[in-house]
Amino acid sequence: EIVLTQSPGTLSLSPGERATLSCRASQSVSGNYLAWYQQRPGQAPRLLIYGASSRATGIPDRFSGSGSGTDFTLTISRLEPEDFAVYYCQQYPTSPRAFGQGTKVEIK
Amino acid sequence: QVQLVESGGGVVQPGGSLRLSCAASGFTFRNYGMHWVRQVPGKGLEWVTFIQYDGSNKYYADSVKGRFTISRDNSKDTLYLQMDSLRAEDTAVYYCTKDLHGGTGTGPSSYWGQGTLVTVSS
Repeated sequence: EIVLTQSPGTLSLSPGERATLSCRASQSVSGNYLAWYQQRPGQAPRLLIYGASSRATGIPDRFSGSGSGTDFTLTISRLEPEDFAVYYCQQYPTSPRAFGQGTKVEIK
Repeated sequence: QVQLVESGGGVVQPGGSLRLSCAASGFTFRNYGMHWVRQVPGKGLEWVTFIQYDGSNKYYADSVKGRFTISRDNSKDTLYLQMDSLRAEDTAVYYCTKDLHGGTGTGPSSYWGQGTLVTVSS
């Protein structure tokens, strides 16, 4: 069973700054099948990135994903006010489809 | 547009049962695998279960195996989650989600419903 560890737990940044979020897997993620989700307060999660680096439909290009094997990164190039939220990584399609514990991006 | 609407949540006593439903629209339901994901309020996400497009394959998290059953009715575009022997630790918001890639569940969750709250308490 793959365990995903996200860091940092909380990231305090200002609008316009760059955010770098990490997701580390306990073993190699097959096919780099790693997804990132955004969850704003009171809302359901939204798919941002799949296959480690492909943006989902409608996702702005300030969001980018990279990495392979056990180390993956979500980068937000310039934070907009609506980007302050919690971000989760998830490996798929191997069951159980583990999520990371989340990184909260908060306004500094 | 894709819509997933969960229903059936509520308060139930430990050891009790509940059945959740998820009404799907805006896509060809019978062609896609579907998931249930839950979230304890204020906590992280936990994948619960998956069902293939035709119902022939199902997978469960160890935490619910033997107690929860996923099913679907493709004639009604509806996904179900039968939850038996409920425990306090099953208290969460339950989301139904649509697989990105298709019927056999090779993708992440591309669309999510708004969730339904299940509270297990005496």
